[in-house]
Amino acid sequence: AQSVAQPEDQVNVAEGNPLTVKCTYSVSGNPYLFWYVQYPNRGLQFLLKYITGDNLVKGSYGFEAEFNKSQTSFHLKKPSALVSDSALYFCAVRAFSGGYNKLIFGAGTRLAVHP
Amino acid sequence: DTGVSQDPRHKITKRGQNVTFRCDPISEHNRLYWYRQTLGQGPEFLTYFQNEAQLEKSRLLSDRFSAERPKGSFSTLEIQRTEQGDSAMYLCASSLTRDTNSGNTIYFGEGSWLTVV
Repeated sequence: AQSVAQPEDQVNVAEGNPLTVKCTYSVSGNPYLFWYVQYPNRGLQFLLKYITGDNLVKGSYGFEAEFNKSQTSFHLKKPSALVSDSALYFCAVRAFSGGYNKLIFGAGTRLAVHP
Repeated sequence: DTGVSQDPRHKITKRGQNVTFRCDPISEHNRLYWYRQTLGQGPEFLTYFQNEAQLEKSRLLSDRFSAERPKGSFSTLEIQRTEQGDSAMYLCASSLTRDTNSGNTIYFGEGSWLTVV
């Protein structure tokens, strides 16, 4: 079965410091990996994705993610955190079943950036 | 706004009543998804359409739930005889197949909150 794990319920970081939100995956075949962000009482906003190519993927709002096939990880990173980055972050993997596809999400990681 | 649109944004209903949510996908997106999200959890897949065809349904989608996409554009999700356990946010999303630029990114709406009292 295809799955995503986000091992940290919450990540705390000081503004201006680098941040990392961890994600590991389990999938048969080549993974399609995504990161989404969710602000309170809002839907999910797409940040970035890995389909193929360079292992370092750049996305919206200065975020990037590194695909590591040997460690089956896709950690989200940002060099310098902002208070406005505080939100819930979801990692997702595309699961193919019956020839169709859907996203399987992790449980989410709450990022708290302190001034 | 050309994003995924959902209506209503919030709904409070009494147990046993029926509710219906509507989703308007991004224009020309041929795939439409419904997800459910409860507090502290990631979104869980419910069902998926390609054009007007409902191609997959999750085991989470009990007989009280029905989704339609009659003309391959907007979709409705109806919950009959609501139960308190149905309280959640219902998210709609859409994507375009064979779009080499987007790589089939799935875009989500703002969600419809359901509270069953």
